[in-house]
Amino acid sequence: QQQVKQSPQSLIVQKGGISIINCAYENTAFDYFPWYQQFPGKGPALLIAIRPDVSEKKEGRFTISFNKSAKQFSLHIMDSQPGDSATYFCAPRMDSSYKLIFGSGTRLLVRP
Amino acid sequence: GAVVSQHPSRVICKSGTSVKIECRSLDFQATTMFWYRQFPKQSLMLMATSNEGSKATYEQGVEKDKFLINHASLTLSTLTVTSAHPEDSSFYICSARKHGRASDTQYFGPGTRLTVL
Repeated sequence: QQQVKQSPQSLIVQKGGISIINCAYENTAFDYFPWYQQFPGKGPALLIAIRPDVSEKKEGRFTISFNKSAKQFSLHIMDSQPGDSATYFCAPRMDSSYKLIFGSGTRLLVRP
Repeated sequence: GAVVSQHPSRVICKSGTSVKIECRSLDFQATTMFWYRQFPKQSLMLMATSNEGSKATYEQGVEKDKFLINHASLTLSTLTVTSAHPEDSSFYICSARKHGRASDTQYFGPGTRLTVL
């Protein structure tokens, strides 16, 4: 049972452009919606996260948009930089067990 | 910030041997630690949840006798891959959740690359 669907699988953006990654989920027991960034050979690092009582959260160049009724949330990276080139995962959390359910990942390449 | 370390960062072993991987929370106490496995170009798959002082809870399809988890203190969890085989070669990552009031964030370690020859 695939609980989390992430898209696109890969994304190429020019420097200065906007990168948008989407995540759709099925389980209503998720109560916390983080995005993680992972560089090759490293562990994931928390980028930004949102709770379901908020529709949008912005931290610097990174914004999460959350649509509870549609069961979707997205990551927007403004003014994308080559240093943002990495793999991004949505990983909503189960409210009872604190487990993170990882999406399939999006490989972002920002061209100079 | 909260720091999680893993040791070793990479290990190469012969088929049939056992390998132990340590996960430590360096500057906080971790109520719960999680162990993930990641194959190349794939997502992280949760293997088990480890709570200090109790038995680990394994995800469906993960052999608990093969992947032994011990969470002896609030800052240390270990994963032992017993009788390792080439198909166990993977990137193993742990994460830790802070002890205390309900904490949202899991802090991830840098991962351990296991290669079984």
